[in-house]
Amino acid sequence: SQKIEQNSEALNIQEGKTATLTCNYTNYSPAYLQWYRQDPGRGPVFLLLIRENEKEKRKERLKVTFDTTLKQSLFHITASQPADSATYLCALEVTGGGNKLTFGTGTQLKVEL
Amino acid sequence: NAGVTQTPKFRILKIGQSMTLQCTQDMNHNYMYWYRQDPGMGLKLIYYSVGAGITDKGEVPNGYNVSRSTTEDFPLRLELAAPSQTSVYFCASSYSRTSGGSQETQYFGPGTRLLVL
Repeated sequence: SQKIEQNSEALNIQEGKTATLTCNYTNYSPAYLQWYRQDPGRGPVFLLLIRENEKEKRKERLKVTFDTTLKQSLFHITASQPADSATYLCALEVTGGGNKLTFGTGTQLKVEL
Repeated sequence: NAGVTQTPKFRILKIGQSMTLQCTQDMNHNYMYWYRQDPGMGLKLIYYSVGAGITDKGEVPNGYNVSRSTTEDFPLRLELAAPSQTSVYFCASSYSRTSGGSQETQYFGPGTRLLVL
């Protein structure tokens, strides 16, 4: 069955460091992968989308990589700030398309002063 | 634009009661979705709609019903509430130009927290 795995343990890093979050998937051949941010008590907010033919995508302090051979995406936040503390979700298009997404369970990031 | 709005924000139901969770979007999006999120779990797709009058089941549709009479509204109906339906429900919308649906950004509402006792 199709499966998306994100590290369930919270990631604690110091302010100013680079945070790296991992998304691994099995039994998918996704054309796209998306990353969302979710704050407590709120709905997810879109951050970045990367296509299968793109190895890397950047937006300000954010960088996403997509390795279809390893079946893995890495999400980086450089120069992290306490305001970056949140849960980050990766999502893949469900086989058959229809713009349906399957979400990972998310990784909680805590940026400490 | 208000984006995606959901009502109510929080509701307590007794087992066997019914209720409708409301969702409205003002972005003229053709696709709309309902997800549930349990603690420590990812979002699970309940139902989705690719346009007015068209709905389809997602991963966890049992115990729920939906309708899509307008582009803007996509209500989720719980007919006989059960404790297993205690969760946070999120509505989302997106726009796709193609009938097969290319992957586009989904915009989420603030969620409805439901407790079934």
